Amino acid sequence: AQTVTQSQPEMSVQEAETVTLSCTYDTSESDYYLFWYKQPPSRQMILVIRQEAYKQQNATENRFSVNFQKAAKSFSLKISDSQLGDAAMYFCAPWGGSTLGRLYFGRGTQLTVWP
Amino acid sequence: ETGVTQSPTHLIKTRGQQVTLRCSSQSGHNTVSWYQQALGQGPQFIFQYYREEENGRGNFPPRFSGLQFPNYSSELNVNALELDDSALYLCASSLGDSPADGYTFGSGTRLTVV
Repeated sequence: AQTVTQSQPEMSVQEAETVTLSCTYDTSESDYYLFWYKQPPSRQMILVIRQEAYKQQNATENRFSVNFQKAAKSFSLKISDSQLGDAAMYFCAPWGGSTLGRLYFGRGTQLTVWP
Repeated sequence: ETGVTQSPTHLIKTRGQQVTLRCSSQSGHNTVSWYQQALGQGPQFIFQYYREEENGRGNFPPRFSGLQFPNYSSELNVNALELDDSALYLCASSLGDSPADGYTFGSGTRLTVV
């Protein structure tokens, strides 16, 4: 089984500023992926970024980047130049091959973006 | 455009009743997974179907069952509804049987049991 801890139930950021959302996880898998999903009020889960655990280089997708610390089992998400449309619930989810298609989600962090 | 469509968007049922939720996946997506998201929680895995066969199940009782059809549609059935079944139900589809291939989620069905 895998566990996920998102210790920040809520975060807020001013538009154009930078915010970091934290996530720690526990897994017995040796090879796995890590995902950040966002869930806006439309309720649809949208993939923001993914990281393959065997890669040392941190993943980057435009304004979104991760700080992946494998030994510490930490996977934080940094959002640069925050926009109003970034306001959503953000979920961290690790995945390893032994769990087939099952994603384990954390409890989420609600991000508010102020104009 | 989402590519995954769920119906209905909202539903109210009475305790003890049965409900069927529907999901239409993207064409070519052989895998569909269902998740339950209670208020204030992250989604929890119910089960997954790959090419019409169940190939993974979470910690949910047998009254939660599913079907997947050759036309990329699927159903989640819940019998003997309980108040705790009130939640958002999400389906997600993908080409392969792992999320590394990329999951596309629908916008969910909000089920309220009274």
